[in-house]
Amino acid sequence: AQSVTQLDSQVPVFEEAPVELRCNYSSSVSVYLFWYVQYPNQGLQLLLKYLSGSTLVKSINGFEAEFNKSQTSFHLRKPSVHISDTAEYFCAVTRAAGNKLTFGGGTRVLVKP
Amino acid sequence: ETGVTQSPTHLIKTRGQQVTLRCSSQSGHNTVSWYQQALGQGPQFIFQYYREEENGRGNFPPRFSGLQFPNYSSELNVNALELDDSALYLCASSAGTGVTDTQYFGPGTRLTVL
Repeated sequence: AQSVTQLDSQVPVFEEAPVELRCNYSSSVSVYLFWYVQYPNQGLQLLLKYLSGSTLVKSINGFEAEFNKSQTSFHLRKPSVHISDTAEYFCAVTRAAGNKLTFGGGTRVLVKP
Repeated sequence: ETGVTQSPTHLIKTRGQQVTLRCSSQSGHNTVSWYQQALGQGPQFIFQYYREEENGRGNFPPRFSGLQFPNYSSELNVNALELDDSALYLCASSAGTGVTDTQYFGPGTRLTVL
């Protein structure tokens, strides 16, 4: 069985400040890792994913995440947030056999002006 | 190209009733996955359909059932509704079932059970 833990349920942050959202996973087999974002009243959108190769992956809107196998973590960071980054962020894993996702509980980011 | 759509947007039912939720997959996608997102929690995998066959199921009772049609749209049926079934139900479609097949989510159907 696999599980995902997002250590912070809410993260308030000021505009243009950096933010880090923590994600740890547990699994007895190799996993693949994802971050999804859910804007208010919308469905989930894929932000970035780690499947293989470089452990540092980046999104087109300035987010990045680093896969750390020894610490079983996949933390999400952005050096400077905007008001429009206000959303809920979900870390998810899937096993090698397919794309069925196991999600963490989510981290709500509130960007303040 | 249209994205994933779901209907209805909102639904109110009473305990013991039955409900059907619908999902239209993105053009070119043959796989649909359903998730339940309770308030304040992350989505939980219910089941997945690939080319009209069930391809895996999460930890949900048999009163949660599904169907996928030849055009790859899908239905989620829930019988004997319970209060705890109140949640946002998300549908996601993908071009396949492999790890590289990204899931694209619809906006969800919010079900309230009274």
